[in-house]
Amino acid sequence: GQQVMQIPQYQHVQEGEDFTTYCNSSTTLSNIQWYKQRPGGHPVFLIQLVKSGEVKKQKRLTFQFGEAKKNSSLHITATQTTDVGTYFCATDSGGSNYKLTFGKGTLLTVNP
Amino acid sequence: DAEITQSPRHKITETGRQVTLACHQTWNHNNMFWYRQDLGHGLRLIHYSYGVQDTNKGEVSDGYSVSRSNTEDLPLTLESAASSQTSVYFCASSRTSGPTGELFFGEGSRLTVL
Repeated sequence: GQQVMQIPQYQHVQEGEDFTTYCNSSTTLSNIQWYKQRPGGHPVFLIQLVKSGEVKKQKRLTFQFGEAKKNSSLHITATQTTDVGTYFCATDSGGSNYKLTFGKGTLLTVNP
Repeated sequence: DAEITQSPRHKITETGRQVTLACHQTWNHNNMFWYRQDLGHGLRLIHYSYGVQDTNKGEVSDGYSVSRSNTEDLPLTLESAASSQTSVYFCASSRTSGPTGELFFGEGSRLTVL
């Protein structure tokens, strides 16, 4: 199945700094989803990207899907303590295959 | 409101015992999944189902089984628990519609095998 690599594994920032996590694949992806998991919580869906070069924004979060559909990024502007958690990217194999393969995630900690 | 619930939320068991983790969703989703989450490994797929009587193995299915007798439930059974199965288990569900819909996760079940 599809595999996605996420970097970095950990990121510690001062509150107000920006944060970016990357998701990379050696093969073309049909789509990419992003999830956030707060400490002690469960993953919660953030967004899905489908189109080549797609960019979507949710307040301070910007999601991008690469032109070749082999990479994606999540950028947070001016981090806040509420952004703390692990961010996962996930993808499926396309077609009628609904199972998702997750990256290992990036743990973001924010120093107030 | 529709939801997905897991039980028990915490369980401690002994090596060799059979354990069943329950998952119940009221979304009326056809797709249901079991993942395990371990430090350094992220979320790994154990088993999944696309409808009643349908079950499929994921990437880490050894030692686990599932059954799907109705739309709402996908129980996960550890036939003979091993210490390597100590983990946090998440059940999830999604709609059957293209493109792939978002996964809705349960709160998780933390299992410790002594």
